[in-house]
Amino acid sequence: EVQVVESGGGLVKPGGSLTVSCAASGFTFSTYSMNWVRQAPGKGLEWLSSISGGSDYVHYADSVKGRFSISRDNVKNSLFLQMNRLKAEDTAVYYCARESWNSFTFDHWGQGILVTVSS
Amino acid sequence: EIVMTQSPATLSVFPGDRATLSCRASQSLRGHLAWYQQRPGQAPRLLIYGVSTRATGVPARFSGSGSGTYFTLTISSLQSEDFAVYYCQQYESWPPITFGQGTRLESK
Repeated sequence: EVQVVESGGGLVKPGGSLTVSCAASGFTFSTYSMNWVRQAPGKGLEWLSSISGGSDYVHYADSVKGRFSISRDNVKNSLFLQMNRLKAEDTAVYYCARESWNSFTFDHWGQGILVTVSS
Repeated sequence: EIVMTQSPATLSVFPGDRATLSCRASQSLRGHLAWYQQRPGQAPRLLIYGVSTRATGVPARFSGSGSGTYFTLTISSLQSEDFAVYYCQQYESWPPITFGQGTRLESK
């Protein structure tokens, strides 16, 4: 069974840093691109970043470019999002999502992890 | 960036009736359109990709259609578990991948 499980969320002060992680299982992790999508409280979905299976290609939304960094460890079947210079508007549930093999859609999602940026 | 606009924001429908949700793109998508369902407190779930192809395990009462810039998701006979928020997503031009703002489907 495909599973992705996020961890590492919490409360951080504005300007601070945090890294959220995603542990994957039930599929050949290295052959799938992975993504981060977030959802601010009561709001819609916002795609943040993607990384190809071999880490050759990474992409970011303008809202996080230069502040957030996506990476992966194919030995440990893990995905990461390092978040720097955090702002109050970064407060959201962060989802790890597997990209479908045949389209840039998201066929498996984690349960999400809450990141709160507040003083 | 392709802007996705969903309508209506909220749709009230009786259980057992048909619901039709709309999604409009700011430019042609050439079929690169997906739909997701999000129930309260849960992660989104992929329903439809490629405008009309149901994802694995999605019931046949869900159908997608459309072309160019206008797309619809139809749920033919609403079950209690279908009352949720629905999002469309384009993957024609990226980055960024963009979603609509969502349609809340509620029971009348």
